[in-house]
Amino acid sequence: AQKITQTQPGMFVQEKEAVTLDCTYDTSDQSYGLFWYKQPSSGEMIFLIYQGSYDEQNATEGRYSLNFQKARKSANLVISASQLGDSAMYFCAMREGANSGGYQKVTFGTGTKLQVIP
Amino acid sequence: DAGITQSPRHKVTETGTPVTLRCHQTENHRYMYWYRQDPGHGLRLIHYSYGVKDTDKGEVSDGYSVSRSKTEDFLLTLESATSSQTSVYFCAISDIPSRGPQPQHFGDGTRLSIL
Repeated sequence: AQKITQTQPGMFVQEKEAVTLDCTYDTSDQSYGLFWYKQPSSGEMIFLIYQGSYDEQNATEGRYSLNFQKARKSANLVISASQLGDSAMYFCAMREGANSGGYQKVTFGTGTKLQVIP
Repeated sequence: DAGITQSPRHKVTETGTPVTLRCHQTENHRYMYWYRQDPGHGLRLIHYSYGVKDTDKGEVSDGYSVSRSKTEDFLLTLESATSSQTSVYFCAISDIPSRGPQPQHFGDGTRLSIL
């Protein structure tokens, strides 16, 4: 079974609109973390936002917010007020196990390609 | 930006030749990782290191070996390259968790083509 599922291979959004990128995950660990990364066409991987499994509040970082629904095992990324520069691949990733100093076992989804339309 | 340098950035080589990719960090982070990125697969972990001379296998380690003789350098070697190893390779680093999240930070990638 896939540990991280991103069901939207590609999405379009109008500039200045908000967009939600879906991510569901599967783990039996009680302690885990969820990340979103952005990969522009230039290829680099850029860390966007993080949500810990015990965090009570949804994470926010500027125009990025993470809609964390633990019972549904979903961690959707919401981008508000889309900009042309948001066009990129977006990857959801999960770190399993406690963030206690050990190696981070991180699993990545297959990504969603977002295109922002002027 | 995290100080991670991958070299070379691009390489074309022939089947059967050995290839070594280098990852150099200036952050003094404990953990280093090698991933490959292929269409439809996202990023998959090849090997990782949790300290000097301490390494372990990831999910797609066959055909690859690694070495870490210094904190700052993590080498990935393809002993005898095959066409199936054509991919984009990313190095990542992460530190010992402290008070906040410790995401992995990535290098800019190496595009490797094996003909």
